[in-house]
Amino acid sequence: ILNVEQSPQSLHVQEGDSTNFTCSFPSSNFYALHWYRWETAKSPEALFVMTLNGDEKKKGRISATLNTKEGYSYLYIKGSQPEDSATYLCAFNNFNKFYFGSGTKLNVKP
Amino acid sequence: EAGVVQSPRYKIIEKKQPVAFWCNPISGHNTLYWYLQNLGQGPELLIRYENEEAVDDSQLPKDRFSAERLKGVDSTLKIQPAELGDSAVYLCASSPGGSGRAKSYNEQFFGPGTRLTVL
Repeated sequence: ILNVEQSPQSLHVQEGDSTNFTCSFPSSNFYALHWYRWETAKSPEALFVMTLNGDEKKKGRISATLNTKEGYSYLYIKGSQPEDSATYLCAFNNFNKFYFGSGTKLNVKP
Repeated sequence: EAGVVQSPRYKIIEKKQPVAFWCNPISGHNTLYWYLQNLGQGPELLIRYENEEAVDDSQLPKDRFSAERLKGVDSTLKIQPAELGDSAVYLCASSPGGSGRAKSYNEQFFGPGTRLTVL
């Protein structure tokens, strides 16, 4: 079983604040790293698939970076909004078998 | 395009009762996953299907859990008998599948999950 860790476990920020969280994964035999956004009572929604060292992906105010040599990925949210409140999950993809972190629960206060 | 459909959304049963969950993946998706998600933890794989074949069921507790995907389309996950510790969210996901390295990057599409409470 591969170990995927996310930090922090939870985060409370004010509307307008920028924030970031970390996903750590095994640095050997890297295939792909996925980020998901999971709102309460909804389906997890795919945000990014990161495949190459140094990858940077962006979707609106959310962006992610990848360092496969040291085994980490950062997710950034610029100018957080209340609708960004959700749990953000990362998953290490190993031959189509996904190992998930426990998530970072973000709460954005208006 | 319809997403992954799961039913029921919520289920409350007493311990020792059987329970079944149903999943209909996105049309054309060959790979289907069942995950277990406990509160405060990430999803953990129970079983993965490639078409109708279970290619990874190493973490499925086979003494009480069973799954099937008879025609390589929809799938059923069953627990019999349920225990208190089975209370969790059961997620189904599907991906297109494929061959070669591109297969590793296949995105998963999740259903809304079934929240099971065992009393």
